[in-house]
Amino acid sequence: GIQVEQSPPDLILQEGANSTLRCNFSDSVNNLQWFHQNPWGQLINLFYIPSGTKQNGRLSATTVATERYSLLYISSSQTTDSGVYFCAVYGNQFYFGTGTSLTVIP
Amino acid sequence: GAVVSQHPSRVICKSGTSVKIECRSLDFQATTMFWYRQFPKQSLMLMATSNEGSKATYEQGVEKDKFLINHASLTLSTLTVTSAHPEDSSFYICSAGVQGVRNQPQHFGDGTRLSIL
Repeated sequence: GIQVEQSPPDLILQEGANSTLRCNFSDSVNNLQWFHQNPWGQLINLFYIPSGTKQNGRLSATTVATERYSLLYISSSQTTDSGVYFCAVYGNQFYFGTGTSLTVIP
Repeated sequence: GAVVSQHPSRVICKSGTSVKIECRSLDFQATTMFWYRQFPKQSLMLMATSNEGSKATYEQGVEKDKFLINHASLTLSTLTVTSAHPEDSSFYICSAGVQGVRNQPQHFGDGTRLSIL
């Protein structure tokens, strides 16, 4: 299967700081999504981004499919950004990454 | 946007009980739905692929007789944990995509937290 590695595994930020989360995958994929899992377990879909760049408010994402990685940028972080961020890719099935646990402190 | 509803959100029951979890696509049809399991502080692991009108496809290591999947309509898939035991306690979540998977995002239910006493 496809290996999906995320880095860093844990991240602590001061409110207002910027961060970049990385997702590396081991094979060609047809679909890539970024999710935020809140403390209640809900998966919030952030981006559907098999290639290219998208922006939504303080968040943006870039996927370079040919080099098998995707980046999630969080700018001006807020305490509500805390949680676990997953990328997930679809090859012949859906594979979730290892996750990045983000804590934003006031 | 596409909405996936999962019910119940939380179940606490005694060992030996069978528990049914429903996953519904509210405003689209889904010929394929996926079931995942998540242990605390771990990632989501695909358990099985639910196919409307045919048998589910289970991932290696997932007991199909323990985790029964039924996808009887284009908007509903159910996961039944049979004779549940404490080790089955976990967070279960489903997903579905509009018009297949390859070119569409997956939409996720809110998950079911299962606790077996």
